[in-house]
Amino acid sequence: AQTVTQSQPEMSVQEAETVTLSCTYDTSESDYYLFWYKQPPSRQMILVIRQEAYKQQNATENRFSVNFQKAAKSFSLKISDSQLGDAAMYFCAYRSPNHTGGGNKLTFGTGTQLKVEL
Amino acid sequence: DSGVTQTPKHLITATGQRVTLRCSPRSGDLSVYWYQQSLDQGLQFLIQYYNGEERAKGNILERFSAQQFPDLHSELNLSSLELGDSALYFCASSLLQGSGANVLTFGAGSRLTVL
Repeated sequence: AQTVTQSQPEMSVQEAETVTLSCTYDTSESDYYLFWYKQPPSRQMILVIRQEAYKQQNATENRFSVNFQKAAKSFSLKISDSQLGDAAMYFCAYRSPNHTGGGNKLTFGTGTQLKVEL
Repeated sequence: DSGVTQTPKHLITATGQRVTLRCSPRSGDLSVYWYQQSLDQGLQFLIQYYNGEERAKGNILERFSAQQFPDLHSELNLSSLELGDSALYFCASSLLQGSGANVLTFGAGSRLTVL
């Protein structure tokens, strides 16, 4: 079974600075998908960014980018120019390839609580 | 608003009782997923339905059951409730069974408190 590990329970960043959240995963599959979701105090789960494992290019969405290292099974999230609204719990998630019988379920890490300070 | 509607938002009940959580997926989405988020277990996948049929099962207790109706809304039934069932229950939906980086869109969750 796949596992997702987020080793940083909490992180802090100054407003306008850059922060990187770590995520590693364990899988024997070669084709899969990785996601970062954000959960603000409202508890809503919001997709931040996604990465297809077959793509070598790192995904970018505005101030959010990933560093995907397939061989190392690492998928870190970089937030640039941090804003107060970025304060939230961030979850890394893994999804198996389409052809497997596991449907589209996501396997989540334990989350990293990000605090943004003035 | 994500387009995924969950009711009720909050529910307080007693041990031994039974509750039903309801989810309406985003318009056009055929798959529905249920997740449980608790302090000690994190986000746990419970079950997935696609167009009315069960497609994947996770760590769902035998006391829990779910179904997806012809209009694609889904219900999660929790019975013989225990204190440890207190959690935030999320419903998510996606368009297709397994197509590309098929993104799950989450509802706002139903917070269940068992006293």
